[in-house]
Amino acid sequence: RKEVEQDPGPFNVPEGATVAFNCTYSNSASQSFFWYRQDCRKEPKLLMSVYSSGNEDGRFTAQLNRASQYISLLIRDSKLSDSATYLCVVNKAGTYKYIFGTGTRLKVLA
Amino acid sequence: GAVVSQHPSWVICKSGTSVKIECRSLDFQATTMFWYRQFPKQSLMLMATSNEGSKATYEQGVEKDKFLINHASLTLSTLTVTSAHPEDSSFYICSARSPPTSGIETQYFGPGTRLLVL
Repeated sequence: RKEVEQDPGPFNVPEGATVAFNCTYSNSASQSFFWYRQDCRKEPKLLMSVYSSGNEDGRFTAQLNRASQYISLLIRDSKLSDSATYLCVVNKAGTYKYIFGTGTRLKVLA
Repeated sequence: GAVVSQHPSWVICKSGTSVKIECRSLDFQATTMFWYRQFPKQSLMLMATSNEGSKATYEQGVEKDKFLINHASLTLSTLTVTSAHPEDSSFYICSARSPPTSGIETQYFGPGTRLLVL
């Protein structure tokens, strides 16, 4: 089993749609969780950290379910500019190292 | 967010040459930096952890004698790909561990270096 798993997509959605991505992780001892966004041929950029209580930043909502070991990202009112690959990132338990999922590709269509 | 720079952004070289990539944290001090590699359509894979003032630690399967890392100061880490071969062609990305915000430490990534070995 991979340490961090994501559905690679692509998710093709119309502008204005709501889309959700899930990510599962294998090590229950992981403590830090993030969503990063990566545009084609660019570096990953931090979208948001994921807190135990869930957190929201504008159109983006992240949730953490420790019992089931999954993280979710919800994007409301999708914009064309949201088209990118969304990377789920989990820290390697007991370290500051990051483990990246393979990413989920999102295409928002006009 | 914090700014991390990488230089060069593109390298094309002949097989057998060595390539040096620099990673700098511009507005914060980073005692720890990380080096990743990303092949097309794959995820980022951690290669090594660069620690200021001490030896780098390498992930399993990464040759330390091929990928030399030097973390000479709190704002600079370098990765040297020695005797590069075509299979080393990849996107190399560094990150710097930032001071914690709201109790959470995050990594900020450099813009990456595309290496093409002919």
